[in-house]
Amino acid sequence: DAKTTQPPSMDCAEGRAANLPCNHSTISGNEYVYWYRQIHSQGPQYIIHGLKNNETNEMASLIITEDRKSSTLILPHATLRDTAVYYCIVRVLGAGNNRKLIWGLGTSLAVNP
Amino acid sequence: NAGVMQNPRHLVRRRGQEARLRCSPMKGHSHVYWYRQLPEEGLKFMVYLQKENIIDESGMPKERFSAEFPKEGPSILRIQQVVRGDSAAYFCASSPAQESEQYFGPGTRLTVT
Repeated sequence: DAKTTQPPSMDCAEGRAANLPCNHSTISGNEYVYWYRQIHSQGPQYIIHGLKNNETNEMASLIITEDRKSSTLILPHATLRDTAVYYCIVRVLGAGNNRKLIWGLGTSLAVNP
Repeated sequence: NAGVMQNPRHLVRRRGQEARLRCSPMKGHSHVYWYRQLPEEGLKFMVYLQKENIIDESGMPKERFSAEFPKEGPSILRIQQVVRGDSAAYFCASSPAQESEQYFGPGTRLTVT
């Protein structure tokens, strides 16, 4: 069962920031939040991940609330090529220390010119 | 450095036939993961393998499905006696270590007629 809930779709104007929310209210203390995106049924692409602190890389920023029950992925200047389905994922510990990714349904982001 | 490779990209099988999906991880990666994605859904974890060992197969159906990652050669996901419900996109991912992010291949789209 998915451990995350996201809005099914969002729109964003090209050049503006895209803020994608995610709820993960049942997350445990040692479970990470990951974000991947999938462009038109291609293989998913890693974006960013975090545990407690906010994170930033060349693609995006991840803001995690203090209680860790929700987070927001920020694409600072969205382009048309950022149109994709964005998945917020909780990484849990599975059998054999497997860091298992539990995927939800994602948010379909449309960046409009 | 080539990415994760999967073949074939598209596979059509009749009910009752066998499907064999191949995954070559990125160079230097010894951890392989298989996922299944149905239309309009997120990915579902199937199995996690390290070289020659199955570590976590908690997401794989008990019957008809098997996976291997031999010492030499690609990882193989085998589905015997396919049924229409097996039609899906199957993605493989690899990582250099358990804690690292997973890099995905382009997927194999299986259609069972």
